[in-house]
Amino acid sequence: AQRVTQPEKLLSVFKGAPVELKCNYSYSGSPELFWYVQYSRQRLQLLLRHISRESIKGFTADLNKGETSFHLKKPFAQEEDSAMYYCALRRGSARQLTFGSGTQLTVLP
Amino acid sequence: DGGITQSPKYLFRKEGQNVTLSCEQNLNHDAMYWYRQDPGQGLRLIYYSQIVNDFQKGDIAEGYSVSREKKESFPLTVTSAQKNPTAFYLCASSRLSGRSSYEQYFGPGTRLTVT
Repeated sequence: AQRVTQPEKLLSVFKGAPVELKCNYSYSGSPELFWYVQYSRQRLQLLLRHISRESIKGFTADLNKGETSFHLKKPFAQEEDSAMYYCALRRGSARQLTFGSGTQLTVLP
Repeated sequence: DGGITQSPKYLFRKEGQNVTLSCEQNLNHDAMYWYRQDPGQGLRLIYYSQIVNDFQKGDIAEGYSVSREKKESFPLTVTSAQKNPTAFYLCASSRLSGRSSYEQYFGPGTRLTVT
């Protein structure tokens, strides 16, 4: 069965410091992984996906199949990065998502 | 204004009553989904639908029912059989093919409180 694990419920860093949000997955097929973000009083929205290999708002995430990980990284955190971050695995013909439990990131001034 | 809407924003019900949560989208998306969000548990899939008049159970379908009579609408009924219905409910939609088919678009959510 598929599973997504985000070990940190809460993460605090200072502005300008590097940040890494961890995500590990288990899935028997070829994984498609995503990071979704929910800013305060806003809807849940897609941040980035592993296939595109792009940087969004300074964030990157590399799929490591050997370690079954998809950690989200940013070299210099900003206060506006404070939000709830969810790692998600897509599966099935209907593209349904399995979400991790989320990490609340707080960037301190 | 395009997008996905959910109503109402807050809903209060007494135990033993069924309640229906509305979800509408005008994005012409084929697929629609219902998730439940609980603190510390992330989002869990309740039901999903790929096409009108068809839907499948997700991971936690017990105590819930849905219908998909129109492409734009995917209402969720929380029945009295749901043991712990108080939660935040999120509806989402997506394409199943073509550009941006990888992305799910989420509604603003409905917070249901059952006492």
